[in-house]
Amino acid sequence: NAGVTQTPKFRILKIGQSMTLQCTQDMNHNYMYWYRQDPGMGLKLIYYSVGAGITDKGEVPNGYNVSRSTTEDFPLRLELAAPSQTSVYFCASSSAEGRQNTEAFFGQGTRLTVV
Amino acid sequence: AQSVTQLDSHVSVSEGTPVLLRCNYSSSYSPSLFWYVQHPNKGLQLLLKYTSAATLVKGINGFEAEFKKSETSFHLTKPSAHMSDAAEYFCVVTNDYKLSFGAGTTVTVRA
Repeated sequence: NAGVTQTPKFRILKIGQSMTLQCTQDMNHNYMYWYRQDPGMGLKLIYYSVGAGITDKGEVPNGYNVSRSTTEDFPLRLELAAPSQTSVYFCASSSAEGRQNTEAFFGQGTRLTVV
Repeated sequence: AQSVTQLDSHVSVSEGTPVLLRCNYSSSYSPSLFWYVQHPNKGLQLLLKYTSAATLVKGINGFEAEFKKSETSFHLTKPSAHMSDAAEYFCVVTNDYKLSFGAGTTVTVRA
């Protein structure tokens, strides 16, 4: 089982460039998430999706966009990269059994540096 | 609304001694609770989960956690720390689709 797959693992961007972080899961999970992790700051939710065609903002959405055209894929788009977006990005997916959440499965992360 | 507070940002223990990582939560409904571990430059790995079954939950690598509804706590313990336990630990509460993370506890293990 592949689980949650993120690409790329590392990327260096110049200020003002744009890029898309790819995320795909093969567990048929309804819920998908994008987080960023800064040193000593825990994980901050950027965007999430509860199903194909539905997305919503998390705590820190500015400078990012997402789409969810299929259950499997949840790409994160950075427009006009800024140094403040230097971070490690994690994609995750989860599901629900009745009213209880299953655990979230995480990708291996994308380390992004904006210079 | 829901939230998670990890009471210690850093815990240092000697190898072979017990580890205690404290987590308090708030949730409007019956939550699911999880502990994740993150080793340096790695992704997050599930240690254990509570989903309204037994209140004492056993996880991987000798870790366990006890859900105490009256204290709204979900503390993580291990009887004997190993050098490989040095990592960042996150307590997570979920309700429906929302995941809320604690700020994390960094564990260092002294030889």
